[in-house]
This record gives sequence, C-alpha cells and structure tokens, in this order.
Amino acid sequence: EVQLVESGGGLVKPGGSLRLSCAASGFTFSTYSMKWVRQAPGKGLEWVASISSSGSYIYYADSLKGRFTISRDNAKNSLYLQMNSLRAEDTAVYYCARDGGPWDYSDYWGQGTLVTVSS
Amino acid sequence: EIVMTQSPATLSVSPGERATLSCRASQSVSSNLAWYQQKRGLAPRLLIYGASTRATGIPARFSGSGSGTEFTLTITSLQSEDFAVYYCQQYYNWPLTFGGGAKVEIK
Repeated sequence: EVQLVESGGGLVKPGGSLRLSCAASGFTFSTYSMKWVRQAPGKGLEWVASISSSGSYIYYADSLKGRFTISRDNAKNSLYLQMNSLRAEDTAVYYCARDGGPWDYSDYWGQGTLVTVSS
Repeated sequence: EIVMTQSPATLSVSPGERATLSCRASQSVSSNLAWYQQKRGLAPRLLIYGASTRATGIPARFSGSGSGTEFTLTITSLQSEDFAVYYCQQYYNWPLTFGGGAKVEIK
C-alpha cells in the first residue's frame, strides 16, 4: 500500500525557517517524481515544487523561488521541503504527492502537515 | 501561466441526480488534465487523469471528457459520499496550475 506521511509542520514566526519531511513507503520511491502542494485555510490548491525521480530536475512556483528548496533522499525514501524567510501568506497545509508519471498528475497524496506563520 | 477556471463555483444537487462541472484552460493543455475530489479535512483524491481516464478504484459514475481548453467532469446519480469540492489541474506546462475548485452540495 502506497503511504506518504508528512511531518515537520508547526508554528513559526515570520522570517523563520521550517523543514518539512515526507516519508514514503509501499512503492519504489526512487522511480517516481514527487511534488509539494499547499492549501491555505479555506482556499484552493497551489502547486509549490516538483522534483524528478533522481533529484536532478527541479521546478518551483515562481512566487516561491529562492525561499523554498525541494530535495529528496532516495536511500531514505524521503522527500523534503526547506522553507526559509517564511511569511504569513505561507500559512497552509502542505501535502506531498506522488506523480503518476514523470511530471504528471498526482496519484497519491499524504495527509498533509499544517504550517502556521504568525508572531 | 495557464489559468484554469472552474464553473460553477457551487452546484446544488439532489442525491441521485447528475452533476456536471466545467473546467476551462486559458490555452490548450491537450489532454493533460486531472480531476481531484477533496472532502473537508482530507487530502485530495485523484479521480480522472488524461482528461478521461478514471483512476484506480474510482466508480464508473465519474467520467471526464474534453481536450484542448474545455473539460467536463460528470457525476451521474450522485451519492452522499460525492458531496465535496472538486478541482481540475493541468500538467501540460509549468507552472502546474489548479482551478479554483467547485463545491457540490446537497440541494
């Protein structure tokens, strides 16, 4: 069974940093591209970043470039999102998701982890 | 950036009736279009990909159609568990973009 479990969310002050993790199991992690998607409270879905199966290719939403860094460790079956210079508008539930195919739709999603940026 | 526009924003439907949701892309996305269902407090669930292919385990009452810029998600004979928010998403080009969502509520 495919499982994606996010962790690392919490309350952080504006300007602070946070690192999210996503532990994957039930599939060969190293052969799938992955992504992060976020959802602000009461709002819609917003793509954050994607990373290829090897980690060699990475794409970011323009509005986040330079502040967020996506990475992965295939030996640990884990996906990460390093978030720096956090702002109130980054408050959201962050989901990790597996791509159904390279750079594709998301066929499996984690349960999400809430990041709250507030003083 | 490809803008995805969903309509209507809210659809009131009685159980057993049909629901038809629309998604329009600001430029062609070919058939690189997915639909997701999200219930309150839960993660999205993939329903349709490739504009018309049902994901694993999705009931046949869900169907997708369209290509290019106009897409439709149809739910025939709505069940109680189908009342939720539905999102379309294009994966034709970067950045990946979602529609604003369409809520299907009980009439």
